[in-house]
Parts: sequence; C-alpha cells; structure tokens
Amino acid sequence: KQEVTQIPAALSVPEGENLVLNCSFTDSAIYNLQWFRQDPGKGLTSLLLIQSSQREQTSGRLNASLDKSSGRSTLYIAASQPGDSATYLCAVRGGNTDKLIFGTGTRLQVFP
Amino acid sequence: DTAVSQTPKYLVTQMGNDKSIKCEQNLGHDTMYWYKQDSKKFLKIMFSYNNKELIINETVPNRFSPKSPDKAHLNLHINSLELGDSAVYFCASSQGPGGWTEAFFGQGTRLTVV
Repeated sequence: KQEVTQIPAALSVPEGENLVLNCSFTDSAIYNLQWFRQDPGKGLTSLLLIQSSQREQTSGRLNASLDKSSGRSTLYIAASQPGDSATYLCAVRGGNTDKLIFGTGTRLQVFP
Repeated sequence: DTAVSQTPKYLVTQMGNDKSIKCEQNLGHDTMYWYKQDSKKFLKIMFSYNNKELIINETVPNRFSPKSPDKAHLNLHINSLELGDSAVYFCASSQGPGGWTEAFFGQGTRLTVV
C-alpha cells in the first residue's frame, strides 16, 4: 500500500531564504508525482508534474526533483516571498491506478 | 475561465438531509474524481470516473452516490447526512488512462452537517 510522507510538517522562514520541502513514498512503482499548493480555505493549485521517467521539472522559482528508486521528491523554492505562504502537498499516481495518493502536507509561512 | 468548477462553495445542512454537489470541467479531460479533505487536511480519493464509467470506489458508504451524465460533469449526491460527513469535498479531473496528465482541482465545497 502506497504511503506518502512530507517533512517538515511546518516551516517558518524569513523572506529571501531558499527552501527545500521533502516528500517520500513507499512504493517506487509510480507513474508520476505532482506538487500542489493550497491556500487557506481555497482549492489546490497545481505547481509541477514530474513523470516517472524525468528527474526534475522547473517553473519560475520552483524546482522539483524526483528520485524514484529511493522514493523521494524535493520541492526547491528559491528566494522565498510572503506570497509563497501556503500548504504544499505532494501526490503520487501509482503505476497501474488512476488515483493520486496525497502526502500530509508542509505548511509554509514566509514572513517579511 | 475556471477549469474545474464546483457548486456550491459552502453547504450547511441538518443531519438526515440529502444534498448534492455539482462539478463541471471544461478541459476536455476524460477522467474525473471526488476527493474528501478531512479536518486534519488529509486528502483521500472517494471516486473516479473515466468516460462516465465508475473506475474507483474507495469503500465509501453507499449513502454517497456519484453520477456522471457526461464526461464533463461529475456530481455527488449524499443521502441521510451524518455529522461525520462534514469535510471539504474536492472535484478534480485529468486525462488518462494510458497517459495520465496533470490533475486539476476545483475550489472545494465545504460541507457542514449540524
């Protein structure tokens, strides 16, 4: 059974810092991995999708890497801003299933 | 133009009532989902439909009945609501199977059962 864990559970940093959020999964037979952000009381916004054959994806100040064999992904946020404050969720799609299995999330606060 | 839209955004109702949540996607995706986010913010899949056909039913009580009139719509009907049904329900869509793409989520429906 696939389990997805995210550490840390919460993070509070001053503006301008570079951050690394971690996601680990127990079954390496995944199809892809997706990172989302969720603002309080809002829906999920897709940030990055990494296919199982890829090592990383970049979008602006965000870079996500995937090491399928070790069951890990990291989301790197460069030069953090207060607007980055949100909960970040990673989700994996299994090799032969169409459901996304979510991690527990990392709640990020970036203060000025 | 909203990609995945669900209505209503908020729903407050009494125990025992029956209610529905509607979802529509304009992305041309063939797969739609319902997810439940509990009070601890954990997201778990409830149902998945591919081209109007039920693919996943994740041991959800049969008081919950999804209906997909076409591949752009997936509604969720809940009978005999219970206090424990209070949660945020998210609709989502993606393209697949055979080439699973990015999943897009709606804004959520916050259901409160009193």
